[in-house]
Amino acid sequence: DAKTTQPPSMDCAEGRAANLPCNHSTISGNEYVYWYRQIHSQGPQYIIHGLKNNETNEMASLIITEDRKSSTLILPHATLRDTAVYYCIVAGGSQGNLIFGKGTKLSVKP
Amino acid sequence: EADIYQTPRYLVIGTGKKITLECSQTMGHDKMYWYQQDPGMELHLIHYSYGVNSTEKGDLSSESTVSRIRTEHFPLTLESARPSHTSQYLCASSELGGREAPTDTQYFGPGTRLTVL
Repeated sequence: DAKTTQPPSMDCAEGRAANLPCNHSTISGNEYVYWYRQIHSQGPQYIIHGLKNNETNEMASLIITEDRKSSTLILPHATLRDTAVYYCIVAGGSQGNLIFGKGTKLSVKP
Repeated sequence: EADIYQTPRYLVIGTGKKITLECSQTMGHDKMYWYQQDPGMELHLIHYSYGVNSTEKGDLSSESTVSRIRTEHFPLTLESARPSHTSQYLCASSELGGREAPTDTQYFGPGTRLTVL
């Protein structure tokens, strides 16, 4: 599976949009981009995933560049409860297991 | 919302004891997983299963063993606990199970925090 690169930490003001970047320059054609988050050592929570097109659900939006080498997770109106470690994972293929890296620690501040 | 349960949530036990961490899901998912995570560190996959009677080792070597006798149940056992086994253990499941199936969304349980004295 392709590896990803994320900034180790980011801050965001409460109520503002949080934009979390991820680089995955070695992604292959059948691999998806997944985003999960983990709040204070709880079990990770699925947020969103996509292949080529931008995706939106009730939690977030996922913007994938046309060459698929990077993506951005957008939390449109961050709240204090969005403080967590966010993991960008690229996975797919026959085995299909997720590989969690270090993620980005997002701190939402009042 | 996912229905995946882990018991116990916290366990403090002495060295040499045999322990079993329970994981069950009510979603009928074929594929199940065990991850290990030390505080502030990355999750590492230690075991997974494609379905009943299937068990596979993950990316991180572990002295634990698993079994999958029923679809909904995926217990993890340590025959002789040691302080090096102190960690958080997270169970997950996903719908797709076949070896040729692509990755599917994983749903995680709350975790078991194990301390071995």
